[in-house]
Amino acid sequence: EAQVTQNPRYLITVTGKKLTVTCSQNMNHEYMSWYRQDPGLGLRQIYYSMNVEVTDKGDVPEGYKVSRKEKRNFPLILESPSPNQTSLYFCASTELVGTDTQYFGPGTRLTVL
Amino acid sequence: GNSVTQMEGPVTLSEEAFLTINCTYTATGYPSLFWYVQYPGEGLQLLLKATKADDKGSNKGFEATYRKETTSFHLEKGSVQVSDSAVYFCALSYFRGGTSYGKLTFGQGTILTVHP
Repeated sequence: EAQVTQNPRYLITVTGKKLTVTCSQNMNHEYMSWYRQDPGLGLRQIYYSMNVEVTDKGDVPEGYKVSRKEKRNFPLILESPSPNQTSLYFCASTELVGTDTQYFGPGTRLTVL
Repeated sequence: GNSVTQMEGPVTLSEEAFLTINCTYTATGYPSLFWYVQYPGEGLQLLLKATKADDKGSNKGFEATYRKETTSFHLEKGSVQVSDSAVYFCALSYFRGGTSYGKLTFGQGTILTVHP
């Protein structure tokens, strides 16, 4: 089954404690990205990657890091989380040729106290 | 830059009522337009899309027409069901010559609640 998985689904942490949210896709997609969803703001792109070892900033990259060492994985790293990073996070992936359909993971709800 | 604006919500309807959720966009060139739906506790799913002016996307009784002259992509359904209760997002991206440019620009989302 084609899917994007994220872990964990729910996370409560404290300010400054480093965390990683994992994302994995099984569709051999080149393009992967992270979005955060906040009430009244919709989804905003944090970082994206067009292939292995190729990453770039989206619209709201401050406070986040990513890496793309393998094609299937695209972890989101919060080195020193702050309360304004409390949000719902989605990973997404798509091919770069042949389709404009994106596949989304189930979401990770993060609370930073 | 590109932007998408959706009608203010939430929207509350009775079952079998007519639904319209307005969406307008600002973009250069000719973006592809999408409606995504998010059911409670789930990720986003593509509901429908249109890739060029005057195209009509449709799925599960929902329709939206790509109007270049009014830069709009309003979502409609003739008779909503309780199971349509969800958050609906209008979005745009660029896809030309078989190549995707990846990034989706989303509206703020509209919460739809349908009562029996």
